[in-house]
Amino acid sequence: ETGVTQSPTHLIKTRGQQVTLRCSSQSGHNTVSWYQQALGQGPQFIFQYYREEENGRGNFPPRFSGLQFPNYSSELNVNALELDDSALYLCASSWQESTDTQYFGPGTRLTVL
Amino acid sequence: AQRVTQPEKLLSVFKGAPVELKCNYSYSGSPELFWYVQYSRQRLQLLLRHISRESIKGFTADLNKGETSFHLKKPFAQEEDSAMYYCALSGNKLVFGAGTILRVKS
Repeated sequence: ETGVTQSPTHLIKTRGQQVTLRCSSQSGHNTVSWYQQALGQGPQFIFQYYREEENGRGNFPPRFSGLQFPNYSSELNVNALELDDSALYLCASSWQESTDTQYFGPGTRLTVL
Repeated sequence: AQRVTQPEKLLSVFKGAPVELKCNYSYSGSPELFWYVQYSRQRLQLLLRHISRESIKGFTADLNKGETSFHLKKPFAQEEDSAMYYCALSGNKLVFGAGTILRVKS
């Protein structure tokens, strides 16, 4: 059984740029959720994808967007980066039937300068 | 609105002492509550969920709807319990608290 993987591990961007983060879900999982974790905070829900469609969204602006592919892997795209976007971005996969038992990836550390 | 509050940023106990990590929640519907744990240099992982009513690594948590609490307890702390613990609530999305660092001293 393959766990959740994320790439890249670290990323440095400047304000105004765009970034794409990638996630491969755990084998057999069809649902992917993305979270933003600022320093000293718990993870904050960005959105969830199920069968290639957005299936719930947190309080994040439209410049945060995502995709899910037929193999259930996923991308998180952030446009017009702001300094406050600096955070650890976590991806988690699960079965839709038990969306609450989520298996997390190691995260991507994004720094915006 | 869904909200989870973990009032302690850090809880430091001696090995063998009882542990209670506090979690209070706010949610108008029927909540599902979870505890997630992150050990040093490891990824976030599920510790337990209230509907399972099970003990994992000696930890238990009881959902108290009257007090809107879901405190995590262990009668005798071990050094390997040192980690970051997050309480989470699932309504229409999974909402995490800010987390409590548990430090078990020898």
